[in-house]
Amino acid sequence: GQSLEQPSEVTAVEGAIVQINCTYQTSGFYGLSWYQQHDGGAPTFLSYNALDGLEETGRFSSFLSRSDSYGYLLLQELQMKDSASYFCAADTGRRALTFGSGTRLQVQP
Amino acid sequence: GAGVSQSPSNKVTEKGKDVELRCDPISGHTALYWYRQSLGQGLEFLIYFQGNSAPDKSGLPSDRFSAERTGGSVSTLTIQRTQQEDSAVYLCASSIGQGKNEQFFGPGTRLTVL
Repeated sequence: GQSLEQPSEVTAVEGAIVQINCTYQTSGFYGLSWYQQHDGGAPTFLSYNALDGLEETGRFSSFLSRSDSYGYLLLQELQMKDSASYFCAADTGRRALTFGSGTRLQVQP
Repeated sequence: GAGVSQSPSNKVTEKGKDVELRCDPISGHTALYWYRQSLGQGLEFLIYFQGNSAPDKSGLPSDRFSAERTGGSVSTLTIQRTQQEDSAVYLCASSIGQGKNEQFFGPGTRLTVL
């Protein structure tokens, strides 16, 4: 089967750095995506890692270790607007992505 | 350009009724996906269309669920004889290709079965 594990909830303060981890067990793996979803909104794409290492896009970075079946999303200089749910999603070659259950990030002032 | 649109935005129906949910993908996107999201949960894959290929229906939870994609564009998800456990937000997404390609999501249809 396919499964992705993420913490259900993370709390951090404005201006801080937070890391959201994702471990996966899949039959077939091509890469890991991250999506952000605000309450009542649609998921929006943040990043995709196909190779090991860190990909940086502004305040957000995403990391992948294929040997450890592990990835994380790093958010720096947290802002209140970053309060949202974050989903990791595996590209297993099955055409559709397999999503984790999501991590709800609460940013406090 | 226009994003993915879905209609209706909200649908309240009685148990046992049939419902149709519509998705208009981004023009030129060959891949179209339907997902279901229950409150506070992740996205559950339902069905995937890619060009003229046979759809991947492996995520449909029962034979009450079906979907069509006409002319490689608009898609309709039909749920027959709705049950209370069908209540969820139904999200449609489209992408240029499959896998790593960024999926663009619509705003979803919130279905409530009474």
